[in-house]
Amino acid sequence: DSGVTQTPKHLITATGQRVTLRCSPRSGDLSVYWYQQSLDQGLQFLIHYYNGEERAKGNILERFSAQQFPDLHSELNLSSLELGDSALYFCASSPWTDSNYGYTFGSGTRLTVV
Amino acid sequence: DAKTTQPNSMESNEEEPVHLPCNHSTISGTDYIHWYRQLPSQGPEYVIHGLTSNVNNRMASLAIAEDRKSSTLILHRATLRDAAVYYCIHWGGNYGQNFVFGPGTRLSVLP
Repeated sequence: DSGVTQTPKHLITATGQRVTLRCSPRSGDLSVYWYQQSLDQGLQFLIHYYNGEERAKGNILERFSAQQFPDLHSELNLSSLELGDSALYFCASSPWTDSNYGYTFGSGTRLTVV
Repeated sequence: DAKTTQPNSMESNEEEPVHLPCNHSTISGTDYIHWYRQLPSQGPEYVIHGLTSNVNNRMASLAIAEDRKSSTLILHRATLRDAAVYYCIHWGGNYGQNFVFGPGTRLSVLP
């Protein structure tokens, strides 16, 4: 157990639908990062929150949004889902943005869009 | 984006040492070098990291070149459980920066 909790572990939904993925960071970590991993793309950075504030955006689609709450957990919202959104979604956390500290990853949410 | 270059794949025999190379020629002076590995259907897990000096932990050793433009992850005795994709990342932790994952090296361990 890495200390980063992601729910649900698996999600199957239909095209056009909206889903919410949840991430609880490791205790004490202020930063939360979201990554998408599909078969042909590798690990792609989506977005980073630090203590409730958005810090960086990667190749995140406009249909996707995220937020970090006062208790530091984060949610990734995916809407108008398409078949191509099927992927593993990973959340990671770190204490802050000091580069001497690495990321701790959760075990991911596997999203299947049918 | 912070770029690294690694071999696509490597193969090793069980219980033999493995040296996984990484080139990071664009590294900045304050960037740490991090190594992660990912087993099938799992999230990446931390292996080791360092700045300038060679580093050792229970999982592996990290040898960093004097000019810091390359590094080598050393698994002293590969086991079947070490079969994974290994990622080398350099990261400065500055505002707006984040881990950039390349394709990594897929390590196969033969019994």
